[in-house]
Amino acid sequence: EDQVTQSPEALRLQEGESSSLNCSYTVSGLRGLFWYRQDPGKGPEFLFTLYSAGEEKEKERLKATLTKKESFLHITAPKPEDSATYLCAVQAPRNTDKLIFGTGTRLQVFP
Amino acid sequence: EPEVTQTPSHQVTQMGQEVILRCVPISNHLYFYWYRQILGQKVEFLVSFYNNEISEKSEIFDDQFSVERPDGSNFTLKIRSTKLEDSAMYFCASSGDRGYTFGSGTRLTVV
Repeated sequence: EDQVTQSPEALRLQEGESSSLNCSYTVSGLRGLFWYRQDPGKGPEFLFTLYSAGEEKEKERLKATLTKKESFLHITAPKPEDSATYLCAVQAPRNTDKLIFGTGTRLQVFP
Repeated sequence: EPEVTQTPSHQVTQMGQEVILRCVPISNHLYFYWYRQILGQKVEFLVSFYNNEISEKSEIFDDQFSVERPDGSNFTLKIRSTKLEDSAMYFCASSGDRGYTFGSGTRLTVV
């Protein structure tokens, strides 16, 4: 069964303290791995899509990387406005476009 | 930036009543989806819609649920007889060349 596991469940960082969030997945042939940011009471906001092992993408303080078994979201020198839940989702092959989500990592950045 | 629009943002309904959740996907997207997120749980796939028909549905999407694209712009989710356990955030999404985009959601509360 296709599965996505995110760790840690929650992370508290001091402003400027860099860290990484993990997303491990088991899926029979990955079409894409997605990272989203979700603020309380809002919908998932797209950050990155990664398609193959070794691929990296960056946006401001965020960098996403992908291996054959997991993805990391690196946050460099975070600011309080980076506080949110970060969701990882995979898109499996076969005849489907659905996304399978992890439970997310709730990030809090304190000034 | 094109966005997916959902209305209403919040709906309260009595158990057993019918509700219709509305969505306007991104105009040049061809695939449309409904997901839901029960408070504190992961985002779950409900149904995908392509070429005016359901392409895939989850076990959650039973006979009380239906989807429709009544015109060229709207995409709706109908729940015929709501139950307490239908209380959740419902997200519409659409996908195309520019990726997989979610709306800001409708919070459905069944009392």
